[in-house]
Amino acid sequence: GQQVMQIPQYQHVQEGEDFTTYCNSSTTLSNIQWYKQRPGGHPVFLIQLVKSGEVKKQKRLTFQFGEAKKNSSLHITATQTTDVGTYFCAGLPGAGSYQLTFGKGTKLSVIP
Amino acid sequence: EPEVTQTPSHQVTQMGQEVILRCVPISNHLYFYWYRQILGQKVEFLVSFYNNEISEKSEIFDDQFSVERPDGSNFTLKIRSTKLEDSAMYFCASSELKTYNEQFFGPGTRLTVL
Repeated sequence: GQQVMQIPQYQHVQEGEDFTTYCNSSTTLSNIQWYKQRPGGHPVFLIQLVKSGEVKKQKRLTFQFGEAKKNSSLHITATQTTDVGTYFCAGLPGAGSYQLTFGKGTKLSVIP
Repeated sequence: EPEVTQTPSHQVTQMGQEVILRCVPISNHLYFYWYRQILGQKVEFLVSFYNNEISEKSEIFDDQFSVERPDGSNFTLKIRSTKLEDSAMYFCASSELKTYNEQFFGPGTRLTVL
């Protein structure tokens, strides 16, 4: 079945440093979604990417979808303590399946 | 802002017992989902539900699991005979559309099987 791999598993950064998490799917995706989960909380939708090579920005967050629609990345510029949490990518395979497959997530710690 | 609600927030049960986890999806949403997350691990899809029937289910969703929409607002997940390995956080989610649409997650029910 489809697998979604995400690296790194953990990332500790100094406040103000940048952060990037990478996501790779074993199969081509119809779209990819990104979620953030705060400690003790539930996943909260951040964004969805659909088109090959798509880049979307939300303030300090930049999301990319690879040309082959098999990989994606989330980059945070100048991290803040409010960015703390686990960032999950979740891929939708398409071809009649709408089953989101989540990556294992990257847990971000920001040292003030 | 509308939100998905789940009850109870924490359920403790003995192995072999039946549990029912309840969810109230966002009112105008048509697609409903259950996920589970074992402590410290990734979110895993269990089942999706539309038009009063299961759309898709994962390998995890075996005969011990069932879902139901007993009325116009509730969406339930039943585990017939709980096992120790069923201990996890169970999230309900709903979406307005099936594809290309965000899923709104509830706060979760933490299930502990003793």
